[in-house]
Parts: sequence; C-alpha cells; structure tokens
Amino acid sequence: QKEVEQNSGPLSVPEGAIASLNCTYSDRGSQSFFWYRQYSGKSPELIMFIYSNGDKEDGRFTAQLNKASQYVSLLIRDSQPSDSATYLCAGAFNDYKLSFGAGTTVTVRA
Amino acid sequence: DADVTQTPRNRITKTGKRIMLECSQTKGHDRMYWYRQDPGLGLRLIYYSFDVKDINKGEISDGYSVSRQAQAKFSLSLESAIPNQTALYFCATSDPLESEQYFGPGTRLTVT
Repeated sequence: QKEVEQNSGPLSVPEGAIASLNCTYSDRGSQSFFWYRQYSGKSPELIMFIYSNGDKEDGRFTAQLNKASQYVSLLIRDSQPSDSATYLCAGAFNDYKLSFGAGTTVTVRA
Repeated sequence: DADVTQTPRNRITKTGKRIMLECSQTKGHDRMYWYRQDPGLGLRLIYYSFDVKDINKGEISDGYSVSRQAQAKFSLSLESAIPNQTALYFCATSDPLESEQYFGPGTRLTVT
C-alpha cells in the first residue's frame, strides 16, 4: 500500500468555482505534508505545506490537515484557467523523504 | 540561472545502451534525490543521498545506479537501458532541516 493516496481524477471545475483535492496517508508518524503543482511537461513546484492540524491559508489556496483521520486536502478558491495542472500531495515520513501520491489533474473551464 | 539543472533535457536511446543523467545544484543543499515519473503513478524515488558519502536505494532502484561526485552533483546511470525505463526523470534537492524539495526541470528519456 502506498503511503500517500490521492482521490482519483481528473477534476473539472468552472472558472470561479472551488476545486477540492483530497489525500489520505497511512503512516501516523508522518510529520508534514506538501502540495505541489505540476504543469504538463514541467517540474513540480511547491504551493503549500502544512505541519499542524487545522487549516492554513495562502491567497486562494487552503490546505487542511486532520491527523486523527489521516487526511489532507487542498482547496482552490475562485479557480482560474491558470490553475489547470496536476496537483501532487506528498508526505514527509522517515528521514524527511517525501512519499508522493499519484496526482490529481485539475481542469478549470473558462 | 536555475538552482537545479539537469542534462540532457531530452534523450532517445536504444535498448541495451548505457546512459547517464546528470544533476547539478547551486542551492548548497546536502540532500539530493532522483525520481522517475510515469503517467498515473506520480513520482517514485529511485535513489537518494543525504551527503557525499551517504547513498541509499529508493523504492525502485533496480536497473539504476548513482554517483555523488560532489555536494553539488548527483548522477543517475542506466547500465543497460530497457523500454520500460522510458519516463520523465527528476532530480531534487533539500536542506537537512527542511522537508521541502526543489526540483530540476526534468529529463525526458525514451528507450526504443
């Protein structure tokens, strides 16, 4: 079983809507979680990280972590066509290695 | 200039050939990683190195080897390339005090 699982995509949302991406993990010892955005053919870039239970907001992005339920999510508010990309969830486990989910592809329809 | 560079950016090679992918970084990070990415499978760790003398296998190291020539350089070799090694390969770096990883631009490798 992979350490990090992402809900299946792809996800299509209209411009201006909220995109909700989910991720579950299997290791209760995990320390921190990251959301990377990856445009087609490009390298992943970090958009959010979260260490503590609760919500963390950065502009139109909100990351949510629930350690009891082993659940991480990313909300993208007021979705824009430029948000169309694949979003990778990653968890830091032993020795700070990252375990990545398979990714969720988001398409924002204009 | 980019903090993490990879060469070559694209490579087509034949089955059985030896190939080396190179990664260099100017971030001063001790930790370096090699991943491969296949459609629908996300990023999978091939090898990682926490310093010049510390090299470790990741989840899919079979068929690959690495060399850490210096703090700034980490190379990935395919000793005898096979078609199922066709993938997008990324190098990444991180600081020991942080979990965030910084990725290079990737190398698209095709084995025919």
